[in-house]
Amino acid sequence: KNEVEQSPQNLTAQEGEFITINCSYSVGISALHWLQQHPGGGIVSLFMLSSGKKKHGRLIATINIQEKHSSLHITASHPRDSAVYICAVLDARQLTFGSGTQLTVLP
Amino acid sequence: DVKVTQSSRYLVKRTGEKVFLECVQDMDHENMFWYRQDPGLGLRLIYFSYDVKMKEKGDIPEGYSVSREKKERFSLILESASTNQTSMYLCASSSPTSGFEQFFGPGTRLTVL
Repeated sequence: KNEVEQSPQNLTAQEGEFITINCSYSVGISALHWLQQHPGGGIVSLFMLSSGKKKHGRLIATINIQEKHSSLHITASHPRDSAVYICAVLDARQLTFGSGTQLTVLP
Repeated sequence: DVKVTQSSRYLVKRTGEKVFLECVQDMDHENMFWYRQDPGLGLRLIYFSYDVKMKEKGDIPEGYSVSREKKERFSLILESASTNQTSMYLCASSSPTSGFEQFFGPGTRLTVL
């Protein structure tokens, strides 16, 4: 079973800062999800990627398949970005989840 | 947009009660999943289904069962609720046509007293 590790577990930033959240996994995968969860529970899929880089607004996700590593970057962070960010790896139609990164962006 | 709905956002039940959690998706997805989420333990897979009337155990199936009689609906059943089943329950669905990207419902926060 894949081991998925995220870092940091908690992150506090000032509004406007550039933020990076890291994810590493132990076994080859078919794709990797970045998920966002706001207080109240709902989980939203931000990205699903299997190679290279994807960008959506201020969010950028990269993956290095050889190094088994992915990063989620947030540029010009804003208090509304405060949430838990979860990395999940897809293997044989199932997801294995990281423990999540609690991000707090202060105004 | 894919829409995954769950029957309740909040539910309070008593120990020993039979509990039904319903999940419905409107995008004709083949795959459906039930997870529970607990502080410090993250998301854990309870059961999943790749087709109607098909079900497979996930990592923590004990104390739960599921039913998938129609493609769009996946039900999680707690036969006799216990306090250690107090948790957030999340349903998700996916399809090969969307690269198996999983789409999540809003979650049901279940409290068992």
